[in-house]
Amino acid sequence: EAGVTQFPSHSVIEKGQTVTLRCDPISGHDNLYWYRRVMGKEIKFLLHFVKESKQDESGMPNNRFLAERTGGTYSTLKVQPAELEDSGVYFCASSQFRTGTGNSPLHFGNGTRLTVT
Amino acid sequence: AQSVAQPEDQVNVAEGNPLTVKCTYSVSGNPYLFWYVQYPNRGLQFLLKYITGDNLVKGSYGFEAEFNKSQTSFHLKKPSALVSDSALYFCAVRDIGTYKYIFGTGTRLKVLA
Repeated sequence: EAGVTQFPSHSVIEKGQTVTLRCDPISGHDNLYWYRRVMGKEIKFLLHFVKESKQDESGMPNNRFLAERTGGTYSTLKVQPAELEDSGVYFCASSQFRTGTGNSPLHFGNGTRLTVT
Repeated sequence: AQSVAQPEDQVNVAEGNPLTVKCTYSVSGNPYLFWYVQYPNRGLQFLLKYITGDNLVKGSYGFEAEFNKSQTSFHLKKPSALVSDSALYFCAVRDIGTYKYIFGTGTRLKVLA
């Protein structure tokens, strides 16, 4: 099966510009997560979709970040306007929805490295 | 709040020697614990998980982890390290209520030939 795909792999933008990251989860995976890792720090949770619904968006830093998952398939994460502190690697992950005990592992994409200058 | 701690930024070990990467957790209720590995320019890959049952969990690539409830630890181990095991390792706990996964800061493992 195809894995989780993220696009672009790298993005360099100037402060104040807009960037949109895309994630295509594994087909049939209802759970979709966005995470971010700033250099040397922990991988921080941003939000969690179940199908097209936002299950938990408690990790979204502020209203400059907007995530969508139209039709419960791919997801986009838009940062507008970007700030210097938004730099980091953005990971998307997907998993099946509550199979068995609901502990199916996360499948990660390769991440998008965002640099804001 | 649930959390994990990885006290070591880096672990160096000689090839062929046993390795341990440490993880401690803080949860309310029973923990669901995971280990992931990240190779350069790649996403995280699942290694193993503890949900319930035997305290010693076996996973991919010869790795295993020992769940210790009294010490709230879930250390990753391998009896004989390979140079190809060199990577970044993350411990994670799953929040029971929200299905959110909480990750540690990562430990860089360097296996020296």
